[in-house]
Amino acid sequence: EIVLTQSPGTLSLSPGERATLSCRASQSVSSSYLAWYQQKPGQAPRLLIYGASSRATGIPDRFSGSGSGTDFTLTISRLEPEDFAVYYCQQYGSSPKTFGQGTKLEIK
Amino acid sequence: QVQLVQSGAEVKKPGASVKVSCKASGYTFTGYYMHWVRQAPGQGLEWMGWINPNSGGTNYAQKFQGRVTMTRDTSISTAYMELSRLRSDDTAVYYCARELVVRGFSAGFDPWGQGTLVTVSS
Repeated sequence: EIVLTQSPGTLSLSPGERATLSCRASQSVSSSYLAWYQQKPGQAPRLLIYGASSRATGIPDRFSGSGSGTDFTLTISRLEPEDFAVYYCQQYGSSPKTFGQGTKLEIK
Repeated sequence: QVQLVQSGAEVKKPGASVKVSCKASGYTFTGYYMHWVRQAPGQGLEWMGWINPNSGGTNYAQKFQGRVTMTRDTSISTAYMELSRLRSDDTAVYYCARELVVRGFSAGFDPWGQGTLVTVSS
């Protein structure tokens, strides 16, 4: 089983700032089958990034993903008020399709 | 538009079973795998398994082997997840989520159902 470790656990930033979220895998993620999701309170997760770096339909270009192998990053270039939420990474290249524990992005 | 609509909240006693439904619309139901993911209160996301709606084939996370059964009814484009021998730590929101395919490759889970809260309490 691939274990995903996200850091930091909580990130406190202000609107307009840049956010950098990390996801490290315990072993290489095949074919960069790595996704990022955003979840707001009381809502289902929303797909942001798939294939480590491809934006899902309708996702603003301030969201970008990068990385390969075992190290992946989600970057939000300029935070908008609606971006404050919990973010999860997920590997879907092998079963079980594991998630990281999440990073909470909160308003400073 | 592509949409997954789940059944309503359930309250069950320990030892009982629960069956959650997920009705798909806006796309060819048999063309995409369906996954189930759960989230305990205040916790992260936990993948439970998938069903291939075309063949009925399944793949379950080892943790749930023997307790979970995923089925589908293609005539009404609905997937089901049944969890048996419920315990208090099965209290969670259960989500269905379609596996997205882009240019023939898996591309994560999108969309997700709205979630179904299952509460296990005596």
